[in-house]
Amino acid sequence: EDQVTQSPEALRLQEGESSSLNCSYTVSGLRGLFWYRQDPGKGPEFLFTLYSAGEEKEKERLKATLTKKESFLHITAPKPEDSATYLCAVQGLGTDKLIFGTGTRLQVFP
Amino acid sequence: DTGVSQNPRHKITKRGQNVTFRCDPISEHNRLYWYRQTLGQGPEFLTYFQNEAQLEKSRLLSDRFSAERPKGSFSTLEIQRTEQGDSAMYLCASSLVSGRSYEQYFGPGTRLTVT
Repeated sequence: EDQVTQSPEALRLQEGESSSLNCSYTVSGLRGLFWYRQDPGKGPEFLFTLYSAGEEKEKERLKATLTKKESFLHITAPKPEDSATYLCAVQGLGTDKLIFGTGTRLQVFP
Repeated sequence: DTGVSQNPRHKITKRGQNVTFRCDPISEHNRLYWYRQTLGQGPEFLTYFQNEAQLEKSRLLSDRFSAERPKGSFSTLEIQRTEQGDSAMYLCASSLVSGRSYEQYFGPGTRLTVT
């Protein structure tokens, strides 16, 4: 069964303190791995799609990487406005449905 | 605003009542998805459409749930005889599947509270 596990569940960082979020997955055939940001009471906001091992994508202070078993979301010099829940999802071959993890709740303090 | 829109944003209903939610996707998108999210969990897939055709339904979608996309544009999700366990955020997403691109863009959600 396709599954996504995210760690840690929660992360508290000082402003400027870089860190990484982990997403481990099992899927019978990977079409894509997706990262989303979700603010409280809002819908998920699309960040990145990764399709194959070794692929990397960057956006401002965020960088996503992919291996055959996991993905990392690296946050460099975070700011308080980066505080949110970060969700990872996988999409298998032959289906459009996304399988989400439970997310990492990130808090960045000034 | 050209993003996905959902109405209503909040709905409070009594157990046993029927409720209907509407989703308007991004205009050029051909696929539309429904997910459900409870507190502290990631979204769970319910169903999706390509144009008017419902292509996949989750086992989570009991007989009390029905979704339609009659003209391939907006979609409705109806829950009959609501139960307290139906309380959740109902999220709609849309995508334009082309080539290798499968990104799904989400709306703001409809929060359902069943009392």
